[in-house]
Amino acid sequence: GENVEQHPSTLSVQEGDSAVIKCTYSDSASNYFPWYKQELGKGPQLIIDIRSNVGEKKDQRIAVTLNKTAKHFSLHITETQPEDSAVYFCAASISNYQLIWGAGTKLIIKP
Amino acid sequence: KAGVTQTPRYLIKTRGQQVTLSCSPISGHRSVSWYQQTPGQGLQFLFEYFSETQRNKGNFPGRFSGRQFSNSRSEMNVSTLELGDSALYLCASSRDIQGQGGELFFGEGSRLTVL
Repeated sequence: GENVEQHPSTLSVQEGDSAVIKCTYSDSASNYFPWYKQELGKGPQLIIDIRSNVGEKKDQRIAVTLNKTAKHFSLHITETQPEDSAVYFCAASISNYQLIWGAGTKLIIKP
Repeated sequence: KAGVTQTPRYLIKTRGQQVTLSCSPISGHRSVSWYQQTPGQGLQFLFEYFSETQRNKGNFPGRFSGRQFSNSRSEMNVSTLELGDSALYLCASSRDIQGQGGELFFGEGSRLTVL
């Protein structure tokens, strides 16, 4: 079946440095790629998304890039802050409009 | 604007029992999706309901079932509970079908412990 692989599972970065999380998808028909952030004790929340007709999208310190040829997309967080510590999930839509989710990345920001 | 409401927030059951969880979506949202989350297992998709019809179903046994009412509120039921069913069950609502590009709004979840 279709799947999304997400790496790394845990990422520890120094406050102020950049963090990059990568996801690879298998369905060539995927056309929607959201990223969700889950803080402790809360449900996931959408932070940024991208569609297949766009290669890059930015929102302040967060950006997502998409490489359709290689079938992978990445989340970039610059100037990391303590409040960026959370679990991040990527997802990709498949042909029946279901979202397939990555396994998650725990991002730790070290002071 | 009220968010997604899940009840109960916490519950403890014993093996063999059954449980019903409830989800009230954001007003105007017609899609409700359910997920199981266990430590280290990410978000496991259970099913999605849209306008009272089940659209998609994840790879879970038939003990897991759900339904959606005409007011878009949804319930999920787990029968013959097993220890491995202990998890956080998350509900998410959206205006349209989940993969069409609309934002999913998650509730805070129902934490089920099976003893």
